[in-house]
Amino acid sequence: QQQVKQSPQSLIVQKGGIPIINCAYENTAFDYFPWYQQFPGKGPALLIAIRPDVSEKKEGRFTISFNKSAKQFSLHIMDSQPGDSATYFCAASVTDSWGKFQFGAGTQVVVTP
Amino acid sequence: NAGVTQTPKFQVLKTGQSMTLQCAQDMNHNSMYWYRQDPGMGLRLIYYSASEGTTDKGEVPNGYNVSRLNKREFSLRLESAAPSQTSVYFCASTNPLGLATRVYEQYFGPGTRLTVT
Repeated sequence: QQQVKQSPQSLIVQKGGIPIINCAYENTAFDYFPWYQQFPGKGPALLIAIRPDVSEKKEGRFTISFNKSAKQFSLHIMDSQPGDSATYFCAASVTDSWGKFQFGAGTQVVVTP
Repeated sequence: NAGVTQTPKFQVLKTGQSMTLQCAQDMNHNSMYWYRQDPGMGLRLIYYSASEGTTDKGEVPNGYNVSRLNKREFSLRLESAAPSQTSVYFCASTNPLGLATRVYEQYFGPGTRLTVT
């Protein structure tokens, strides 16, 4: 049973649109929430991460929103570009758990020109 | 730096055959991991090695064994391959980003695509 539920499975947006990917978790011990980006044929790479002591974090065009009470967090891609087309994974871990992550199922994002 | 390297890139096995997937990292990381990636399932941890000389089971260890050969290398062995082990396998490594944060950024290899017929 997946401890981190991710939705949607896939989405298509036009260039300039804002794809939003949502994740929910149950384990309140989770205290680190990264997002990974994966291009076809490549391994995942860290995109952005957040701790539960902040409600939002921005890095470039990528924003994480975090709602601790709802146990949900989401990734927004502002002004999306065709080069953002990839699969995105949310994840969660507990500090001092030797870096073991629980990953969501992944969302395939396609940004059309 | 090559980062995390994996061999082979592709492999086809028949049911019952054995093979070892190799992984090496040149970032002097302490911890290493093996994941499998299946459609709709995300990445699931098979085994991990918190430090040289230690290994522990992850979420889906059945049918696999691992060896932490030295600090650089962590191999995954399938003793008797089954069609259910058809997957893409990723190796990753990490160090904590800092003692204060104890936050881990995992660096992934390019993956091994394994098909068991």
